[in-house]
Amino acid sequence: SQQGEEDPQALSIQEGENATMNCSYKTSINNLQWYRQNSGRGLVHLILIRSNEREKHSGRLRVTLDTSKKSSSLLITASRAADTASYFCANSGYSTLTFGKGTMLLVSP
Amino acid sequence: EAQVTQNPRYLITVTGKKLTVTCSQNMNHEYMSWYRQDPGLGLRQIYYSMNVEVTDKGDVPEGYKVSRKEKRNFPLILESPSPNQTSLYFCASTSGLDYNEQFFGPGTRLTVL
Repeated sequence: SQQGEEDPQALSIQEGENATMNCSYKTSINNLQWYRQNSGRGLVHLILIRSNEREKHSGRLRVTLDTSKKSSSLLITASRAADTASYFCANSGYSTLTFGKGTMLLVSP
Repeated sequence: EAQVTQNPRYLITVTGKKLTVTCSQNMNHEYMSWYRQDPGLGLRQIYYSMNVEVTDKGDVPEGYKVSRKEKRNFPLILESPSPNQTSLYFCASTSGLDYNEQFFGPGTRLTVL
């Protein structure tokens, strides 16, 4: 399967702490996207990192990409209760977007 | 408002009764896709369409059909639903998959008894 693997599957932290989730693929990574999903709703795009980029920032989000290791990480700094959601990485190619299995993040007040 | 709409949002049906889940986008996107989401398996692509009259299989196409007669619509058809097709379904669209975000619909929760 070309599906991505995410680690950890679940993460529980306190407000104000940082949350880090990782994503890896067995196939090569093209452009890597991260999405967020609130309890069974549609996914919302967070950030895209291109294959020639190593790090990208957007607000409290920091994404890294290591194409040699076929992996990416998403860091959410100073987390808030509203960050509670599932986070998915997605490897984008010309015709398909292959998702990871997701990390469930719980941020407690 | 730019959006992807799906109908119905919830559906309970019985084995073998044909059903269609509609998907429509108002962003003039060329690329549209259907996914199913199951616990522990994440999102898996069912079918996708690069443009009108151009469709192709994703990772889990068995038991599903699609059509793309108009740019804005991409219905998902289950000719003879079975219980293993009980799932949460998402439609998505984008102007270009490689460098652009996908916009997702709100989801259709299907239960096949």
